[in-house]
Amino acid sequence: DVKVTQSSRYLVKRTGEKVFLECVQDMDHENMFWYRQDPGLGLRLIYFSYDVKMKEKGDIPEGYSVSREKKERFSLILESASTNQTSMYLCASSLYSGSSYEQYFGPGTRLTVT
Amino acid sequence: EDQVTQSPEALRLQEGESSSLNCSYTVSGLRGLFWYRQDPGKGPEFLFTLYSAGEEKEKERLKATLTKKESFLHITAPKPEDSATYLCAVGSNDYKLSFGAGTTVTVRA
Repeated sequence: DVKVTQSSRYLVKRTGEKVFLECVQDMDHENMFWYRQDPGLGLRLIYFSYDVKMKEKGDIPEGYSVSREKKERFSLILESASTNQTSMYLCASSLYSGSSYEQYFGPGTRLTVT
Repeated sequence: EDQVTQSPEALRLQEGESSSLNCSYTVSGLRGLFWYRQDPGKGPEFLFTLYSAGEEKEKERLKATLTKKESFLHITAPKPEDSATYLCAVGSNDYKLSFGAGTTVTVRA
């Protein structure tokens, strides 16, 4: 079974703090993704990575950065947290085989910025 | 730009009352259509991938079908444990998926 783990289930931070969210997958997947999920807005892609040290912006990258130093680990960084970044953050990974690339999700991190 | 629309937004069923969820999509070149189940406060759980029109997949009380413009998720004789939000997503020409807003299903005993 694919397993994607996230460093925290719940996190409370103050405005202006630097926040690190970590994601680890154990299936040797090439692709990793960070989403945020908000009521009424669905899942929105922040960043994704298709290889170590490679990254591409998703639909809403502003205010975020990412790091992928090892294949199994993908970190999301909020440089200076703001209240509008309060959300559920979901990490996912996928194996790109050319024809099949379903994504497997972690349990999520509920981030509250006060 | 890929677009995915799910309907209805919410569905309330009596236990045993079968129904269907709809996912309509526009995509430049379909590489796969994906169904997920999401319980409150948790990450989406992968259910099915469909690749071409006419394809069907089943898992317990769930059956997914695909046409050229839409997919249906049929829930047969649902139980309260089938209550969840069901998400549909499409993949086109790269690694990314485009998700619909989901259908929240509530099954009453």
